[in-house]
Amino acid sequence: VIWMTQSPSLLSASTGDRVTISCRMSQGISSYLAWYQQKPGKAPELLIYAASTLQSGVPSRFSGSGSGTDFTLTISCLQSEDFATYYCQQYYSFPWTFGQGTKVEIK
Amino acid sequence: QLQLQESGSGLVKPSQTLSLTCAVSGGSISSGGYSWSWIRQPPGKGLEWIGYIYHSGSTYYNPSLKSRVTISVDRSKNQFSLKLSSVTAADTAVYYCARVYITGVFDYWGQGTLVTVSS
Repeated sequence: VIWMTQSPSLLSASTGDRVTISCRMSQGISSYLAWYQQKPGKAPELLIYAASTLQSGVPSRFSGSGSGTDFTLTISCLQSEDFATYYCQQYYSFPWTFGQGTKVEIK
Repeated sequence: QLQLQESGSGLVKPSQTLSLTCAVSGGSISSGGYSWSWIRQPPGKGLEWIGYIYHSGSTYYNPSLKSRVTISVDRSKNQFSLKLSSVTAADTAVYYCARVYITGVFDYWGQGTLVTVSS
């Protein structure tokens, strides 16, 4: 099983801030990493896959980087609708696993 | 636009079997290249992948649940299903169905359905 460590667990930020979320793997996964956004009471939504490929319709202020064991999700200019919980997910090997989540809250 | 909708019992007694169905609309479940998955989220916690079924019927389950899980597909009804046996309170969660795009990326999700295990 590949274990994932997301940090921070909680991030307090203001509209307009640049924020970064980290996801570290217990072993290398090449670029088999996705990022999801989840708002309260809603299903997660796919933001990025293959570590850095933006899903269709996702704003360009979201970006992903990294390969191997260390990955980053960056929101370049935080908007009000971006306050949510973000999860990374590896699909390099079974079982597919998710990070524990990072909640981005209003500062 | 592809849509997925979960349905099933919201309350299951301990030791019984949880049964859910995911109806797919706006596309065929038999479309090549895709598989279909179940994912769950205990209240206030993170996401756990349960398993997937390919349109051909082949399956793969999370080893942590493998002995209790069955995922099946009904192509005539354009839906797939989840059965989880011998449930306990630890199985209380929101259960999501999702389409698997590429291998392992969940691009379309259902809205989720809360299943509570309680006597």
